[in-house]
Amino acid sequence: DTEVTQTPKHLVMGMTNKKSLKCEQHMGHRAMYWYKQKAKKPPELMFVYSYEKLSINESVPSRFSPECPNSSLLNLHLHALQPEDSALYLCASSQDASGSQSQTSEQYFGPGTRLTVT
Amino acid sequence: QKEVEQNSGPLSVPEGAIASLNCTYSDRGSQSFFWYRQYSGKSPELIMFIYSNGDKEDGRFTAQLNKASQYVSLLIRDSQPSDSATYLCAVRDPGRRALTFGSGTRLQVQP
Repeated sequence: DTEVTQTPKHLVMGMTNKKSLKCEQHMGHRAMYWYKQKAKKPPELMFVYSYEKLSINESVPSRFSPECPNSSLLNLHLHALQPEDSALYLCASSQDASGSQSQTSEQYFGPGTRLTVT
Repeated sequence: QKEVEQNSGPLSVPEGAIASLNCTYSDRGSQSFFWYRQYSGKSPELIMFIYSNGDKEDGRFTAQLNKASQYVSLLIRDSQPSDSATYLCAVRDPGRRALTFGSGTRLQVQP
């Protein structure tokens, strides 16, 4: 089973709202990721968590705040977003958490949350 | 600046033909390579990964890796209209868990 779930599927929020995106995996993976994807562009890495600790922040604005409550869950808290933040937000997970070139580094994506900021 | 290059397409092939998708990468230290399929409005789906030079086959898909030439390709045999999608090549950054994606190649399989 390589399932990663994300909620909600769609989200419309105003620029003054606070909302959260949720991601869950039950594959025992120890690394989890947030990506942002704009139309007709490849996914762009935002954050990486390894063993529930933030290991990579790709200089993401502070209006995006990640949280990893446990090894199966990953949240992305949103506050004071801009219309240009509208995109598909993708969560992914992988078994590998060592940073090595092991054969457990395949990343599996969830279905994504389509976010529209008005 | 690590780069992963793909031809954006569209690559148009007739049903039943072999589709050949290509990708080059700039970081000679890269060792892990992935192909994702993405249908319009959906999330990327991992279809192949390859770590060693040579060919790796899975059903109708074959991934080919040539580290000396910094080149990875995906062959789809007996292409079907349902294969019409964008194919993303991804390369894992050495020493990091991050993937660098190419811009994707749009494949159209004509019935």
